[in-house]
Amino acid sequence: AQSVAQPEDQVNVAEGNPLTVKCTYSVSGNPYLFWYVQYPNRGLQFLLKYITGDNLVKGSYGFEAEFNKSQTSFHLKKPSALVSDSALYFCAVSPLGRGSTLGRLYFGRGTQLTVWP
Amino acid sequence: EAQVTQNPRYLITVTGKKLTVTCSQNMNHEYMSWYRQDPGLGLRQIYYSMNVEVTDKGDVPEGYKVSRKEKRNFPLILESPSPNQTSLYFCASRAGQFYEQYFGPGTRLTVT
Repeated sequence: AQSVAQPEDQVNVAEGNPLTVKCTYSVSGNPYLFWYVQYPNRGLQFLLKYITGDNLVKGSYGFEAEFNKSQTSFHLKKPSALVSDSALYFCAVSPLGRGSTLGRLYFGRGTQLTVWP
Repeated sequence: EAQVTQNPRYLITVTGKKLTVTCSQNMNHEYMSWYRQDPGLGLRQIYYSMNVEVTDKGDVPEGYKVSRKEKRNFPLILESPSPNQTSLYFCASRAGQFYEQYFGPGTRLTVT
């Protein structure tokens, strides 16, 4: 079965400190990996994706993510957090497959990031 | 402007009264999906479609129907809503498997 785990429901970090939001996955084959952000009372916005190539991908608002194939992880990072980064973050996985999984995008349960001043 | 639109944004209804939530995208995307978001459960896929007349069940399809008669539209139908379908619903579209997904603004549904 395909699954995405975000082991931390909440991450709290002080402004200016680095942040990491963790994501691990269990899917067949080599998947495509995504991070989305949801600000309060808003829809979801795309942050970044890994398709192939360099394991470190850069995205919007200074975020980056590191793909680790051996650990099946795709952790979201930012060198210096801002209060405005406070939001709900979702990891998502699109299996590289055929048939019934081709259109699927599996989401983790989300991690609430709070950056305090 | 590239966007996914949903209507209505808010809906309060009673058990058993059929309703439809519309979804439309203007990006000519092949793939469209419906999700529900519930506290602590994240986003769960209800149905998805990879093209016109091609739909398939997601993780929580019970109590829902969809249709994809045109590429741009993907309505979600609740034939007989129940209180456990009270949730925040998102429609989304993307161009293909390795493209990012665009989300609509959400529809908050309350079934009493």
